[in-house]
Amino acid sequence: SYELTQPLSVSVALGQTARITCGGNNIGTKNVHWYQQKPGQAPVLVIYRDSNRPSGIPERFSGSNSGNTATLTISRAQAGDEADYYCQVWDSSAVVFGGGTKLTVL
Amino acid sequence: QLQLQESGPGLVKPSETLSLTCTVSGGSISNSSYYWGWIRQPPGKGLEWIGSIYYSGSTYYNPSLKSRVTISVDTSKNQFSLKLSSVTAADTAIYYCARGVIMGDWFDPWGQGTLVTVSS
Repeated sequence: SYELTQPLSVSVALGQTARITCGGNNIGTKNVHWYQQKPGQAPVLVIYRDSNRPSGIPERFSGSNSGNTATLTISRAQAGDEADYYCQVWDSSAVVFGGGTKLTVL
Repeated sequence: QLQLQESGPGLVKPSETLSLTCTVSGGSISNSSYYWGWIRQPPGKGLEWIGSIYYSGSTYYNPSLKSRVTISVDTSKNQFSLKLSSVTAADTAIYYCARGVIMGDWFDPWGQGTLVTVSS
């Protein structure tokens, strides 16, 4: 089965840029979606199809996908961006989630 | 604005069947542009897809849970349901329902989630 690998944690200084990676075999050939989950809340879609933002998601959130790595980039990080982030793909008639990355804003 | 709400028992005994319902409001569950999914999250852990159902009734299940899972849809009530049989403590989790986008395969929006504990 297909596997997605994310770092357990990423730290970023307030106002700087955070990058969260999602690794998978030839992931660049798949559509990657990203979710933000704050404590005690349901996940929220922040990026779909690699680099598209749903309405209401700040432009500070962007995504890219190539080769074996997809990346979620959060520019000008704010305290409110502190959360768990999950990548997701569809592969062989199944939904696959990455293990999640905890983003800490210092 | 589409909303989803999970409902069902918060406590299930080991070896019994977990049953949850997701009620969709603000839109039709029969919309052919979407499908409907269940995802769970054990306490302190990551997300695990359980399965999805299309308006046509077609289903896709996580291979690791397939033998125990049934997802069905009731268009007259604008609801879809999850049954997970022979539960153990490992099935203790927050269970989310969500709308999936056909030809895209992302989930948006999600329900608030409901905690189901498996314990005697």
